[in-house]
Amino acid sequence: DVKVTQSSRYLVKRTGEKVFLECVQDMDHENMFWYRQDPGLGLRLIYFSYDVKMKEKGDIPEGYSVSREKKERFSLILESASTNQTSMYLCASKKGGGASYEQYFGPGTRLTVT
Amino acid sequence: AQKVTQAQTEISVVEKEDVTLDCVYETRDTTYYLFWYKQPPSGELVFLIRRNSFDEQNEISGRYSWNFQKSTSSFNFTITASQVVDSAVYFCALRGGNRDDKIIFGKGTRLHILP
Repeated sequence: DVKVTQSSRYLVKRTGEKVFLECVQDMDHENMFWYRQDPGLGLRLIYFSYDVKMKEKGDIPEGYSVSREKKERFSLILESASTNQTSMYLCASKKGGGASYEQYFGPGTRLTVT
Repeated sequence: AQKVTQAQTEISVVEKEDVTLDCVYETRDTTYYLFWYKQPPSGELVFLIRRNSFDEQNEISGRYSWNFQKSTSSFNFTITASQVVDSAVYFCALRGGNRDDKIIFGKGTRLHILP
């Protein structure tokens, strides 16, 4: 079974703090993704990575950065957290090389910025 | 541009009733893939099914069935004899045929199964 894990289920941070959200997958997937989920807005893609050291901006990259130093790990960084970044963050991974492959999701991190 | 519309924001049915979740999509691609995911209260999206644009056969998996109709650009999901454990948010999604295409999610339908 594919397993995608995220470092925290719940996180509370203060405005201005630097925040790291970690995601690890154990199926040797090339592609990894970060989404945020907000009521009424569905899932929005923040950043994705096709492979190690590669990153691409999604639909809402402002205020975020990412790091993919190892194939199994994809980190989302909030350089200076703000209250409008309070949200549920979902990580996903997918086998590379084809559009047909489904994404597998982690359990999510509910981040509150106060 | 690609788009997925789930017009039903929230549905409530009594346990054992059948329920259909609608999904309408837009794409200009001739090759594309459609997906359904379930998000239970625990938060993790669970993959349910993938369908490619060349395969219009309906699919049945236990109490779940999917009706793919290219003529109406719809990929509807039916739960037969619903159970309380089916309560969740369900997302329909679309990806084009290019390996670099991003997956586009609908906004989801929240399904409440009442005991």
